[in-house]
Amino acid sequence: GDSVTQMEGPVTLSEEAFLTINCTYTATGYPSLFWYVQYPGEGLQLLLKATKADDKGSNKGFEATYRKETTSFHLEKGSVQVSDSAVYFCALNDSGFQKLVFGTGTRLLVSP
Amino acid sequence: DGGITQSPKYLFRKEGQNVTLSCEQNLNHDAMYWYRQDPGQGLRLIYYSQIVNDFQKGDIAEGYSVSREKKESFPLTVTSAQKNPTAFYLCASRPGGTGNTIYFGEGSWLTVV
Repeated sequence: GDSVTQMEGPVTLSEEAFLTINCTYTATGYPSLFWYVQYPGEGLQLLLKATKADDKGSNKGFEATYRKETTSFHLEKGSVQVSDSAVYFCALNDSGFQKLVFGTGTRLLVSP
Repeated sequence: DGGITQSPKYLFRKEGQNVTLSCEQNLNHDAMYWYRQDPGQGLRLIYYSQIVNDFQKGDIAEGYSVSREKKESFPLTVTSAQKNPTAFYLCASRPGGTGNTIYFGEGSWLTVV
């Protein structure tokens, strides 16, 4: 079945450091790919998405490129802030486009 | 304001009791979902519904039940058969069509005491 694998956290960075959170997927067909962010005690918010190969999703300084050849959708940000501290989830639409399949989440901790 | 409203935010239940979590959306979305999140872990799908009066089991449906009598409402009942119900429950919805984004509510914390 479809699945998503994320790097384990926590990822601990200093403010203004470069961020990469790895995400790879296994899917039949051509899923859409998503990054969601969850702040403590809250629901998930969509951060960015890409719907086809080579698409780049971007939002709030975060970027991710849909790489079909490597089945990856790595999240990057050039300069993180303390306010970026949260849990980040990579996800894909299942092959029937009916539901999202999530990775286990990666906690990011940014210190001043 | 449009959105997904979950209630209550916090709920305490005694062992052996059923409890119902409410989820209402005014986004006119066709599909609705319930996910469970355990501390430090990812999301697991409990039930989902693509249209009114129809729903499907997700990966961990045992001990849960749902109904979809109205497009805007998708309540989740946690029954006494659920052995470990303490968790964070997230409701979500999605417009019809392929590739559309799923939007989440703020979640409900359920604690069994």
